[in-house]
Amino acid sequence: SQQGEEDPQALSIQEGENATMNCSYKTSINNLQWYRQNSGRGLVHLILIRSNEREKHSGRLRVTLDTSKKSSSLLITASRAADTASYFCATDAEGQNFVFGPGTRLSVLP
Amino acid sequence: GAVVSQHPSWVICKSGTSVKIECRSLDFQATTMFWYRQFPKQSLMLMATSNEGSKATYEQGVEKDKFLINHASLTLSTLTVTSAHPEDSSFYICSPGAGWGTDTQYFGPGTRLTVL
Repeated sequence: SQQGEEDPQALSIQEGENATMNCSYKTSINNLQWYRQNSGRGLVHLILIRSNEREKHSGRLRVTLDTSKKSSSLLITASRAADTASYFCATDAEGQNFVFGPGTRLSVLP
Repeated sequence: GAVVSQHPSWVICKSGTSVKIECRSLDFQATTMFWYRQFPKQSLMLMATSNEGSKATYEQGVEKDKFLINHASLTLSTLTVTSAHPEDSSFYICSPGAGWGTDTQYFGPGTRLTVL
């Protein structure tokens, strides 16, 4: 089945540093989405990138998609303590429900 | 974006009782509703897909008689955890389905269930 897998599973950085998280998947997709989840809270949509797009930006977020490698990355620049959360990628493929990866737990230390 | 609400946001119950979780799509007609479960420090796992006016489709390993789903209208879907046990303690999240290939999937704020 379709599966997004993030790495690393956990990431700890200092405030101001950049954080990069990766997501890999197995089969062709229509789009890939990144979500953030603060501890015990619901999901917040960050960015959607379509299969024919290679890069998208939103504020301090930059997402890339490499369909040949079946991977995506989420870069958070100039991280802040408030960025501490779990980040999930989710893939959307024809005829399938959204499938979430296990997530990356990001800790930004002040 | 779509507004999705869940009620209650958290619930604590005794083992053996049943708990109903409501999910409302406030500005969006949800013909499909996805129900996810998330255990601590784990990813969301799809439990079932409900379709307005018809029976829900359950994922493998999810007991349909234990997790009753009702999708009576385009704006309301309910998940009832029957005879809850401590292992059912989890974070339950609903998400209205806009259909395959549609942009952004929206999610409810989640309901934290703790079964004592």
